[in-house]
Amino acid sequence: NAGVTQTPKFQVLKTGQSMTLQCAQDMNHEYMSWYRQDPGMGLRLIHYSVGAGITDQGEVPNGYNVSRSTTEDFPLRLLSAAPSQTSVYFCASSSTDRGTDTQYFGPGTRLTVL
Amino acid sequence: DAKTTQPPSMDCAEGRAANLPCNHSTISGNEYVYWYRQIHSQGPQYIIHGLKNNETNEMASLIITEDRKSSTLILPHATLRDTAVYYCIVRLYRGGGADGLTFGKGTHLIIQP
Repeated sequence: NAGVTQTPKFQVLKTGQSMTLQCAQDMNHEYMSWYRQDPGMGLRLIHYSVGAGITDQGEVPNGYNVSRSTTEDFPLRLLSAAPSQTSVYFCASSSTDRGTDTQYFGPGTRLTVL
Repeated sequence: DAKTTQPPSMDCAEGRAANLPCNHSTISGNEYVYWYRQIHSQGPQYIIHGLKNNETNEMASLIITEDRKSSTLILPHATLRDTAVYYCIVRLYRGGGADGLTFGKGTHLIIQP
């Protein structure tokens, strides 16, 4: 299993540009999430999904859109990039196996908005 | 979810056991204790979790006090690669956890050669 994969690893955008961060998992997990981590800070939840076709907002959803058309993929779209969105973005997936909420994280996408 | 308190940083000599404490005095009976770590620039990594009993896996041991108000993560033979920020998280089981983990500031563990 590749686990949780994210592309790209690095990205530089100009203010106002849009882009999509890709996330995929091959563990057949129902649940997927997007977090952002600013320098020296903990992770903050952006959006999450409990299954294909179902998404919901987390703590910091403004400026981001998500969709979940398949179990495997959970892309994060930046509609109009702003310097405040400069951050490291992590995708995570989890399942209900063994009755716990263990989450598995991808390697991250480092985004800089100029 | 119950609040947790961890020391901001700790040192440990390579080859020794690293003992990382976590205080969660307001934990409720159905809340689990999870430990994750984040090695510099990488995604967080699950280590271990427990409810009441002590747990051990290939990475670490988790010791939970009888009153469940605190716990200790033990890395039995720390290596330089264990240098990371360690997060103690207390939460109810939510059937998958997609609504997000709450990461505090954690403990920055530095393994000294």
